Amino acid sequence: AQSVAQPEDQVNVAEGNPLTVKCTYSVSGNPYLFWYVQYPNRGLQFLLKYITGDNLVKGSYGFEAEFNKSQTSFHLKKPSALVSDSALYFCAVRDLRNAGNMLTFGGGTRLMVKP
Amino acid sequence: DGGITQSPKYLFRKEGQNVTLSCEQNLNHDAMYWYRQDPGQGLRLIYYSQIVNDFQKGDIAEGYSVSREKKESFPLTVTSAQKNPTAFYLCASRRDREDALNTEAFFGQGTRLTVV
Repeated sequence: AQSVAQPEDQVNVAEGNPLTVKCTYSVSGNPYLFWYVQYPNRGLQFLLKYITGDNLVKGSYGFEAEFNKSQTSFHLKKPSALVSDSALYFCAVRDLRNAGNMLTFGGGTRLMVKP
Repeated sequence: DGGITQSPKYLFRKEGQNVTLSCEQNLNHDAMYWYRQDPGQGLRLIYYSQIVNDFQKGDIAEGYSVSREKKESFPLTVTSAQKNPTAFYLCASRRDREDALNTEAFFGQGTRLTVV
């Protein structure tokens, strides 16, 4: 079975400071990893994905994520946070061995960026 | 514009009623999904469909039903058997061909269902 853990319910950071939102995963085979962002009462927007290749993946809005196979992690990062980055962030994993190739989501982390 | 559309945005249901949530996509995606989101929890999969006229139960299918008569449409019915239906419902779609197994899912804007 595949699973995703986001150990922090909320992350607080000051505007202009770097931010990290943590994600760890568990799959049987090779993981395909995704980050999504959700604003209030809206659907999920795709930020970035790791499929293969470079461990550092760059995505939308200046976000990036680092795949670490030995630590089974895929932490989301941004060098300088903006107040507008405040939202709910979801990490997701897909394992090709899972029938239907479905995404399994973490519980979400609320990012609060203060001016 | 291509995309995935959910309607209505807000829906109120009386006790014992069935209600149907609409999900339509014009992305020519094969696979479609329904997720439920509760406060403080992540997304849980209700049903999914990889091809027209076929669908499978997800992790929390009890009290829900779906149909996939057309590629573009995947409506979800919340039946009276669902004891706690108040939640935010999200529909998603994805290409699902052998050479595109790594594509991301696209989400609709969601429907907030409240039991009154």
